[in-house]
Amino acid sequence: EAGVAQSPRYKIIEKRQSVAFWCNPISGHATLYWYQQILGQGPKLLIQFQNNGVVDDSQLPKDRFSAERLKGVDSTLKIQPAKLEDSAVYLCASSLEGYTEAFFGQGTRLTVV
Amino acid sequence: SQQGEEDPQALSIQEGENATMNCSYKTSINNLQWYRQNSGRGLVHLILIRSNEREKHSGRLRVTLDTSKKSSSLLITASRAADTASYFCATDRRNQGGKLIFGQGTELSVKP
Repeated sequence: EAGVAQSPRYKIIEKRQSVAFWCNPISGHATLYWYQQILGQGPKLLIQFQNNGVVDDSQLPKDRFSAERLKGVDSTLKIQPAKLEDSAVYLCASSLEGYTEAFFGQGTRLTVV
Repeated sequence: SQQGEEDPQALSIQEGENATMNCSYKTSINNLQWYRQNSGRGLVHLILIRSNEREKHSGRLRVTLDTSKKSSSLLITASRAADTASYFCATDRRNQGGKLIFGQGTELSVKP
């Protein structure tokens, strides 16, 4: 069974530029999560989708971050414009449904300079 | 906001010893999960314990849950150097659609 795929693995951008991350969850998984993990901290939930609907985006900085889940499968997370404090690893995870184990991708390491 | 808090923040032991990590949380939960993260990699699910369960085992892992104290512990027995990683607890709250919230983690170092 293929795991959660994320791309790119690494990205370096200048502040005020825009960036997009892509995630392909495990086939059949209804729930998709995006997390931000700053070095030395635990993952912080940015947004949770159930199929193509948003379950929770209370921690998403909506003035600069946006996310969508096309047709309830793939998802993209965008930052525009980026700030220095956005430097982090962005993790995508999926699960069959809420309240079950989540499977994580390898993450995208973003450096904003 | 983070739901869980792990204790200790860092733990260093010798191979063969047992490692115990604790997690406390604030609100009522459906499930509590433990994950492992090796440096520079994604998180790997270790074990899920439901709110009506008190103890669960998986290989060398033993997890306990005390809902009255809102706490959980993860015990790794007979640790190996390969167990060196960060360990996170994650909770999903009742009536919040499986919103999975992580703690800050415990960094475990197992010396050969």
